[in-house]
Amino acid sequence: DQQVKQNSPSLSVQEGRISILNCDYTNSMFDYFLWYKKYPAEGPTFLISISSIKDKNEDGRFTVFLNKSAKHLSLHIVPSQPGDSAVYFCAALYTGTASKLTFGTGTRLQVTL
Amino acid sequence: NAGVMQNPRHLVRRRGQEARLRCSPMKGHSHVYWYRQLPEEGLKFMVYLQKENIIDESGMPKERFSAEFPKEGPSILRIQQVVRGDSAAYFCASSPPWGQDPLSYGYTFGSGTRLTVV
Repeated sequence: DQQVKQNSPSLSVQEGRISILNCDYTNSMFDYFLWYKKYPAEGPTFLISISSIKDKNEDGRFTVFLNKSAKHLSLHIVPSQPGDSAVYFCAALYTGTASKLTFGTGTRLQVTL
Repeated sequence: NAGVMQNPRHLVRRRGQEARLRCSPMKGHSHVYWYRQLPEEGLKFMVYLQKENIIDESGMPKERFSAEFPKEGPSILRIQQVVRGDSAAYFCASSPPWGQDPLSYGYTFGSGTRLTVV
């Protein structure tokens, strides 16, 4: 039962353009969402997060949008840079009790020159 | 200020042997999580531990796998009688006590242990 889904396994974007990575979730109890970035042979690193009380959070080139009614969130990277090429994981949890992060299957982003 | 330390980075075991994976959480972190990433798949939750206590082991296979986080020392993920299907990257993450950091519920991950069963 995949509660967090990333339906695009890969995405290719030209340098300087916008990258949009999408994520859907099914569990309405989730109230906190995070994006992680992962390079090969390394552990995931935290990128940006958003609480369900917000619909947008911005940090430099990275913005996360949350649409609770659609149970959908997206990560926008503007402008995209070659160093952004990595696998991006969406994750979600319920903060009401000590619980685990549930991850999506990841989207591999390739930023081309 | 060391992050989450996992060792070994690479581990090769023959079928039927035991694999022991170690994880030392970040200083001040009392919660440890183990995740597995199979080739071409996402991160699958295995187990969530606090010191001397298993909080959630809903992702652990029922047989051959066990985890502990003793009062002293690192957390250990133990796989007995390994099979080829156990070959994967195993990641450990840690976090502060639940709710201590209201600004972030994010984990800090280690670099992983890549287990190869031959």
